[in-house]
Amino acid sequence: DAGVIQSPRHEVTEMGQEVTLRCKPISGHDYLFWYRQTMMRGLELLIYFNNNVPIDDSGMPEDRFSAKMPNASFSTLKIQPSEPRDSAVYFCASSTQNTGELFFGEGSRLTVL
Amino acid sequence: SQQGEEDPQALSIQEGENATMNCSYKTSINNLQWYRQNSGRGLVHLILIRSNEREKHSGRLRVTLDTSKKSSSLLITASRAADTASYFCAGANNLFFGTGTRLTVIP
Repeated sequence: DAGVIQSPRHEVTEMGQEVTLRCKPISGHDYLFWYRQTMMRGLELLIYFNNNVPIDDSGMPEDRFSAKMPNASFSTLKIQPSEPRDSAVYFCASSTQNTGELFFGEGSRLTVL
Repeated sequence: SQQGEEDPQALSIQEGENATMNCSYKTSINNLQWYRQNSGRGLVHLILIRSNEREKHSGRLRVTLDTSKKSSSLLITASRAADTASYFCAGANNLFFGTGTRLTVIP
């Protein structure tokens, strides 16, 4: 299996632009998580899905952030409009059960100028 | 706010020595997990310990859990240069992660 695949690996954009991060979970995994990692705040859960349905989005910072999972093999995290404080590494992870081992992607490093 | 904290924040040891990292958390948990992150990479799962377990071993890893103190420790024995990484605890079904310990093993 190829593992969790995230794209893009790096994105540099200007403040105000829309950013879309993509994730393909491991086939057969029914949980998908989005995390954000910064030096200041560490690793924070943004949202997670079970069987494509958002279960907990209380970590989403504000309305500028949105996440979708239109099918079992694809999820997006969108930031519109982006701000410099959104600069971080965004990780997607999947698992077969929410108490189990998480498999992480390599992350998308976002820089907002 | 951080629901998990680890100490030390950074640890530097010589190859062959043991490394101990501690995690304290605030909420009740069903299990606690430890992950490793190499610089610039995603996290990799190391070990899971359930709330009814006090100690668990996996290779050179030993994890303890004290639910009364809301704390856990990760011991890496006979460390190797390749163990250099950041280590994180995670609880509440991966809903929170600790602040991480950056381990450097000097060859």
